[in-house]
Amino acid sequence: QKEVEQNSGPLSVPEGAIASLNCTYSDRGSQSFFWYRQYSGKSPELIMSIYSNGDKEDGRFTAQLNKASQYVSLLIRDSQPSDSATYLCAVTHSGGSNYKLTFGKGTLLTVNP
Amino acid sequence: EAGVAQSPRYKIIEKRQSVAFWCNPISGHATLYWYQQILGQGPKLLIQFQNNGVVDDSQLPKDRFSAERLKGVDSTLKIQPAKLEDSAVYLCASSEHPPGTSVYNEQFFGPGTRLTVL
Repeated sequence: QKEVEQNSGPLSVPEGAIASLNCTYSDRGSQSFFWYRQYSGKSPELIMSIYSNGDKEDGRFTAQLNKASQYVSLLIRDSQPSDSATYLCAVTHSGGSNYKLTFGKGTLLTVNP
Repeated sequence: EAGVAQSPRYKIIEKRQSVAFWCNPISGHATLYWYQQILGQGPKLLIQFQNNGVVDDSQLPKDRFSAERLKGVDSTLKIQPAKLEDSAVYLCASSEHPPGTSVYNEQFFGPGTRLTVL
């Protein structure tokens, strides 16, 4: 069973601070890593994808991947109240000829004005 | 570009009744997925189609759930009979590449159908 683990939170940060969200995964052969944002009552929205070790930046978001440690993180700089949501980590692992996406349970982020 | 469409958005039924959900993926996307998301959990894959063929249905409770994608475009997911534990949001997603051809296979979700079984 491929596992993706996240701290369920809630993680509470003040407006303007850096929010750090973490995720670990069990399958060492995993190749693709995604962060989805899910507002309450809404569907997941893809915000970041990362495929190789290191950092990937997109606006206020930075994804970090360390395959040796089986760890992926998402940093949100200058956090805004509109960033308050559940952040889902998802990992693609090979299942024979198919790449399956496994989700963590999500971390609830609250940004306080 | 239009996103993934789903209907209905909400459904309330009694246990042992049947229900069906519909999904239309992003135009040109070869792969379609149905997920079940229980409150407080991440989405769990139920079934995956490439065009009109099933790629993976290992987590689909086949005694009560069925799904089809007859013309390789839109899809329906059916539950018959429903149980209380089927109360969840049913999410449809699509991706551009056929499964197994690319790790860069980003999935895009529809708005979901919230099912309540009483």
